[in-house]
Amino acid sequence: GQQLNQSPQSMFIQEGEDVSMNCTSSSIFNTWLWYKQEPGEGPVLLIALYKAGELTSNGRLTAQFGITRKDSFLNISASIPSDVGIYFCAGQKTSGTYKYIFGTGTRLKVLA
Amino acid sequence: DVKVTQSSRYLVKRTGEKVFLECVQDMDHENMFWYRQDPGLGLRLIYFSYDVKMKEKGDIPEGYSVSREKKERFSLILESASTNQTSMYLCASSLTGRPEAFFGQGTRLTVV
Repeated sequence: GQQLNQSPQSMFIQEGEDVSMNCTSSSIFNTWLWYKQEPGEGPVLLIALYKAGELTSNGRLTAQFGITRKDSFLNISASIPSDVGIYFCAGQKTSGTYKYIFGTGTRLKVLA
Repeated sequence: DVKVTQSSRYLVKRTGEKVFLECVQDMDHENMFWYRQDPGLGLRLIYFSYDVKMKEKGDIPEGYSVSREKKERFSLILESASTNQTSMYLCASSLTGRPEAFFGQGTRLTVV
């Protein structure tokens, strides 16, 4: 099955730094989701995006639905140690279906 | 709070054993999912169910089956476990019409 490519695969950053990650596909998607998975837990939804060009924030997190509908971006500002985890994007090609394709994940480690 | 509970956090099984992974959700969600999570591959959908006794294959159904006899419970069955089924298994549920899936903590299965 198709997967979404996430970049970078992993990153170490200093506390206080801003973080950017992205998710790309060769296919068009109607909905993009961003999840975070903390160690030993299941993923938790951070942000949902429904329209091309949409920019949505959730606290220090900001995500964008790419204009081409083939990509999405997540930014974390002023990172803190509890931002550690794996960030997954997920895309839905057809609205109203239950199937989401998940990205390969970006593992974030924050150095205090 | 939505709660999705997986019966075991860790399991070790022998090759050829029949394995049952159980998942229960307490929010009356219609949809339930089983994913497999492997490093570098993200989450891959094994099976999903949109109603009691209804199921659809995901991207990697080979070697697995599922059972949904009650709305709140979705079981994943490995008919004859093999070492390549060693993985983290995540159960999720969602409400029809809503994009967000709620995940359990995961079951780390090791087949020896």
